[in-house]
Amino acid sequence: QSALTQPASVSGSPGQSITISCTGTSSDVGSYNLVSWYQQHPGKAPKLMIYEVTKRPSGVSDRFSGSKSGNTASLTISGLHAEDEADYYCCSYAGSSSLFGSGTKVTVL
Amino acid sequence: QVQLQESGPELVKPSQTLSLNCTVSGGSVSSSNYYWSWIRQHPGKGLEWMGYSYYSGSTYYNSSLKSRITISVDTSMNQFSLRLSSVTAADTAVYYCARWAFGSGPNAFDIWGQGTMVTVSS
Repeated sequence: QSALTQPASVSGSPGQSITISCTGTSSDVGSYNLVSWYQQHPGKAPKLMIYEVTKRPSGVSDRFSGSKSGNTASLTISGLHAEDEADYYCCSYAGSSSLFGSGTKVTVL
Repeated sequence: QVQLQESGPELVKPSQTLSLNCTVSGGSVSSSNYYWSWIRQHPGKGLEWMGYSYYSGSTYYNSSLKSRITISVDTSMNQFSLRLSSVTAADTAVYYCARWAFGSGPNAFDIWGQGTMVTVSS
């Protein structure tokens, strides 16, 4: 299983919106609405930000939203804040297994 | 609230077996609708799902590790463990334990331990 494909880096200015893509195959992203997104700050454990493609856990800002089309899922961060600077990983259920994305470093300019 | 805490040796010699435990507090490993998981992160790299286990013993592993990995749940100790045999320097990583909540849960890794760095070196 190869990692899901994400852009290595995405940047934006405070207040702007950015979108991170996560491309898989018909065996993972395309087959299940079980895509999740995780935020990881340096030296910290990942934190669940989006689950089941579009849903936000309690306590996660509504500036974070998710979507999916075909084999590609996306995470959008609206109104960028300085504290959004972190690494972001997508993850898809793949039938008795999970597959993470390659990770995207988000830089707030 | 549920918390996870990894424990185990920080240094393992090549060819030996890496063993880590994850203690669950504030909840039970015997709860239904949870798979107990291990995920690792090589230095400066992305996350790699290693496998998960249900409390009843059902296990699912990353095919790239299948011959070397064992994940088990100890309901009496309220913890789960990872064993990775025949380690090499390529197994040097931060190891995270995590809970996968399925069914009525978020179907995602909703709770994570803080992670523990394991170095494979002689």
